[in-house]
Amino acid sequence: KAGVTQTPRYLIKTRGQQVTLSCSPISGHRSVSWYQQTPGQGLQFLFEYFSETQRNKGNFPGRFSGRQFSNSRSEMNVSTLELGDSALYLCASSLEGQPSDEQYFGPGTRLTVT
Amino acid sequence: AQSVAQPEDQVNVAEGNPLTVKCTYSVSGNPYLFWYVQYPNRGLQFLLKYITGDNLVKGSYGFEAEFNKSQTSFHLKKPSALVSDSALYFCAVRDMANAGNMLTFGGGTRLMVKP
Repeated sequence: KAGVTQTPRYLIKTRGQQVTLSCSPISGHRSVSWYQQTPGQGLQFLFEYFSETQRNKGNFPGRFSGRQFSNSRSEMNVSTLELGDSALYLCASSLEGQPSDEQYFGPGTRLTVT
Repeated sequence: AQSVAQPEDQVNVAEGNPLTVKCTYSVSGNPYLFWYVQYPNRGLQFLLKYITGDNLVKGSYGFEAEFNKSQTSFHLKKPSALVSDSALYFCAVRDMANAGNMLTFGGGTRLMVKP
């Protein structure tokens, strides 16, 4: 079974631009979560989607948004990029989104904002 | 609120020796606990989890972890380290009372296994 895939793998953007990242979960997984990883802040939860509905949201500004499609694929969007948004963005999927479910992570999208 | 602490930024061990990577947690209810490993330029790989039951949990690649409720710890262990175990290890917790799917991660511990 194919793992979680994320596109693109690398991205360079300029301050003020917007960016859209894509995530395809493992087949059959219905929950998709997004995380931001930076050297200073570590791994921080952005949001989780289940059955096309945002179920949880972390402590990030409204510039960060996401959505999930009927096939469970998910996208996240960051508008008005800031230098501090440079990070590795990780997507993770789990089967039913139960608290006991382990999450399976994609390779990430490395975003650099200049 | 839930939190995880990994008190060691780096752990050094010789190949063939046992290794321990420490993790302590804080939750208001009962915890679900997870260990993940991250290799360079890769996402996180799931190693093992504690849900309930036996306090000693066995996972992938020979790793195991011991849940200790009184010490609120979930240390990762392996009897004999390999050079290929060198990577960044993350402990994570989710409160059973949390209906959502938010994992809270520790800051990570870099494991260096020397030949």
